[in-house]
Amino acid sequence: DGGITQSPKYLFRKEGQNVTLSCEQNLNHDAMYWYRQDPGQGLRLIYYSQIVNDFQKGDIAEGYSVSREKKESFPLTVTSAQKNPTAFYLCASSIEGLGPSYNEQFFGPGTRLTVL
Amino acid sequence: AQSVSQHNHHVILSEAASLELGCNYSYGGTVNLFWYVQYPGQHLQLLLKYFSGDPLVKGIKGFEAEFIKSKFSFNLRKPSVQWSDTAEYFCAVKPLNMDSNYQLIWGAGTKLIIKP
Repeated sequence: DGGITQSPKYLFRKEGQNVTLSCEQNLNHDAMYWYRQDPGQGLRLIYYSQIVNDFQKGDIAEGYSVSREKKESFPLTVTSAQKNPTAFYLCASSIEGLGPSYNEQFFGPGTRLTVL
Repeated sequence: AQSVSQHNHHVILSEAASLELGCNYSYGGTVNLFWYVQYPGQHLQLLLKYFSGDPLVKGIKGFEAEFIKSKFSFNLRKPSVQWSDTAEYFCAVKPLNMDSNYQLIWGAGTKLIIKP
């Protein structure tokens, strides 16, 4: 079954701790994305990667870090510098990166992070 | 800043009622337009899209949307809803402008509940 998996589904963290969210895809897509979803707000782009070993900041990158060492994997680390990390995090992928041509994004099931 | 507005955060309808969900955006240039849907317990998925041509586009499961350029709107419609349409619906806009980096701009979503 092709798709995007995210783990864990629920994650609890104490203040001051870093935590890493996993995202894996077997769709052979070049591009991967991390979004944050808060109640009453649209998805906001945290980071994206258009190719292995390359990534760019989105609109709300502060307090987050990513790596893209393999095509299939794009883990997101929520650091202690992120002031309000409690949110729902969605990972997505697409065949190509951001550009003017059509490029459907496929989404994972999400991880709900709660900071205690 | 560019934004996408979905007028209703929650909509409750009875089965067989007609549905219209509003979506307005604030960018004056050329855009691609999308509606995504998230059914309970499932991934966010594409419902329909508009790139060019006929402003009335049809998607899966009997949904359609009309692009009215003069009103900066892309409303989602369905003539007769079913209980299985219960889901959260997101409008997204992609300004075709390098300054925007071709990112998707998302609305806050509308939670639709269909009463059997």
